[in-house]
Amino acid sequence: EVQLLESGGGLVQPGGSLRLSCAASEFTFSTSAMTWVRQAPGKGLEWVASISATGGSTYYADSVKGRFTISRNNSKNTLNLQMHSLRVEDTAVYYCAKRGSGWFHGSWGQGTLVTVSS
Amino acid sequence: EIVMTQSPATLSVSPGERATLSCRASQSVSSNLAWYQQIPGQAPRLLIYGASTRATGVPATFSGSGSGTEFTLTISSLQSEDFAGYYCQQYTNWPLTFGGGTKVEIK
Repeated sequence: EVQLLESGGGLVQPGGSLRLSCAASEFTFSTSAMTWVRQAPGKGLEWVASISATGGSTYYADSVKGRFTISRNNSKNTLNLQMHSLRVEDTAVYYCAKRGSGWFHGSWGQGTLVTVSS
Repeated sequence: EIVMTQSPATLSVSPGERATLSCRASQSVSSNLAWYQQIPGQAPRLLIYGASTRATGVPATFSGSGSGTEFTLTISSLQSEDFAGYYCQQYTNWPLTFGGGTKVEIK
């Protein structure tokens, strides 16, 4: 069974930075495209960023473009999300998810909470 | 950006009854439409992809239909574990976009 375990969430002040990680196991990570999706408290799902299996292609929501960077380390089976210039509206649970045969997501981690507040 | 609109926002249904959820796209997404279920406090779970293909392990009480701009998720007989939030997502174009969700609650 696919295992995805996010870490790195926490409380950060507006303008600060945070790096999220997602440890993947029980599947061939190096051949799987991956995605970050977030969910603000009491709100719906919002796509954040995606990355191809090799890392050669990345895609970002306009709301995070230029502030967030998605990356991966296929030798360590790890997906990352580097977040800079954080805003209050970035407060959310951040999920990593594995792409299916198309850009839908069949496996999800349990999420990590990021709180941006002074 | 393709805007996904789900209706209704909340659906009150009695156990054992049928629930019909709608998802509309602002432009055609062909059949590149997925449905997810989310129980409060848990991660989303993939139910349907390709508009009508059930994901592994999803019971046959869940069915998806539609193409282009109009899609439906039907739960034929609601069980207690089906009372949850449901989201559609298009994957035809970037950015990937989700609908606002439908909460299915016990009547």
